[in-house]
Amino acid sequence: ELKVEQNPLFLSMQEGKNYTIYCNYSTTSDRLYWYRQDPGKSLESLFVLLSNGAVKQEGRLMASLDTKARLSTLHITAAVHDLSATYFCAVDGDKLSFGAGTTVTVRA
Amino acid sequence: DTAVSQTPKYLVTQMGNDKSIKCEQNLGHDTMYWYKQDSKKFLKIMFSYNNKELIINETVPNRFSPKSPDKAHLNLHINSLELGDSAVYFCASSHPQRGLETQYFGPGTRLLVL
Repeated sequence: ELKVEQNPLFLSMQEGKNYTIYCNYSTTSDRLYWYRQDPGKSLESLFVLLSNGAVKQEGRLMASLDTKARLSTLHITAAVHDLSATYFCAVDGDKLSFGAGTTVTVRA
Repeated sequence: DTAVSQTPKYLVTQMGNDKSIKCEQNLGHDTMYWYKQDSKKFLKIMFSYNNKELIINETVPNRFSPKSPDKAHLNLHINSLELGDSAVYFCASSHPQRGLETQYFGPGTRLLVL
């Protein structure tokens, strides 16, 4: 069974600094997704990564995929308060398997 | 112009009751899903339908029964509700074509069993 591990599970960020969230998975897949969930809200798609070496960027967020290492990273540049949320990675095997989520809090 | 909608958004009920949650998508997607998110935010797939056909049926108590009357609708019926069923249930849909598989999630149904 495909296992997806995110770390850290909790991340307290200082405004203006850079941080990285890691997503490891256990079996071969070349389809990985990042989602954002605000408290009490639904999941919003951030990135779809469909091949080895894929890199996507949107604003202060950049996601990359290394299928050989079975690793994706979500890099946050110059954190701002609006980025406070829970971030999930999800890997497509025979079904979509989600990591446990990284709860991000940005402090001044 | 809601893409994936669910009703109700909140459901508070007593143990032992039977309840249904409805989901509709207007994206023209072929595949729909039900997920359960527990109190620790862990998300787990329950069911998936493609063109009204069940394709994923995870280890879920048979008190949970999905029904897809057409490819735009996927409902979830729960019999004999238990305390442990309290969670947020998300419906989602996706297109099967490669490159377009992002799942779009509904707003969630917050179920509380007392």
